[in-house]
Amino acid sequence: SQQGEEDPQALSIQEGENATMNCSYKTSINNLQWYRQNSGRGLVHLILIRSNEREKHSGRLRVTLDTSKKSSSLLITASRAADTASYFCATDAQASNTGKLIFGQGTTLQVKP
Amino acid sequence: SAVISQKPSRDICQRGTSLTIQCQVDSQVTMMFWYRQQPGQSLTLIATANQGSEATYESGFVIDKFPISRPNLTFSTLTVSNMSPEDSSIYLCSVVGGEAYEQYFGPGTRLTVT
Repeated sequence: SQQGEEDPQALSIQEGENATMNCSYKTSINNLQWYRQNSGRGLVHLILIRSNEREKHSGRLRVTLDTSKKSSSLLITASRAADTASYFCATDAQASNTGKLIFGQGTTLQVKP
Repeated sequence: SAVISQKPSRDICQRGTSLTIQCQVDSQVTMMFWYRQQPGQSLTLIATANQGSEATYESGFVIDKFPISRPNLTFSTLTVSNMSPEDSSIYLCSVVGGEAYEQYFGPGTRLTVT
C-alpha cells in the first residue's frame, strides 16, 4: 500500500506564480525525497531532506519537513512552463534501512505560459 | 549522481511472450531496485536486485513472473514473463547513491502488451 498521500492531485497555475504541493506519510522515516516526472519518462531527483532537517532549498525549490505531522511540502517559486510535470514524494522506512522507497500518488502540475 | 541507462526504451509485445529489460549504471552500486508504474499511477517496488544472490520480491510480485538477474555491481536485468495486457506499464530501475543515500532512476522502459 502507498505510504504517502499527496495533494492536490492536480494543480494548474500561470507562469510566474508559485506552486505548492503537499505530501503526507504514515511511518517514521530516515529521509524524504521529491522527484519530477515529465510525460511518463524517468524520474528526476529533485531534493532529499533528512528526518532531522526542517527546510531545504535548491534553486527555485523549497522543501519543508514536519516529522511531528508526518508531512512535507514542495514549493516551486516563479514557475515556468517547463515545470509542467508530475511531482512525487517518496519515503524510506526508518526501521528498515533497505533503501526501499514508498511513493505518494503524485501531483500533476500544469504551468500555463 | 549515477548515470543509468535502460534498454529498450519502449516495446510493444504480444501477450504470452517475454521481454527482458536491461539496466546499466556508470558506477558500482550496492543497492539496485526495479519499480513498476502502471498507467496513470504512482511507482510500486517490484524487487531489490541483489548481487550474487536471488532478488528480494515485494508482496504481490513473484520470481516466476519477474525473474531478475544481477551479475555484477553495475548491471541488472528484469524479465516480464508470459505477458498480459495488465503488464503494460513503465518499468524503471533505480540505484542508491550520493552522500545521503539519494535514489536515482533510469529513464524507464515503456511496455505495451497487445
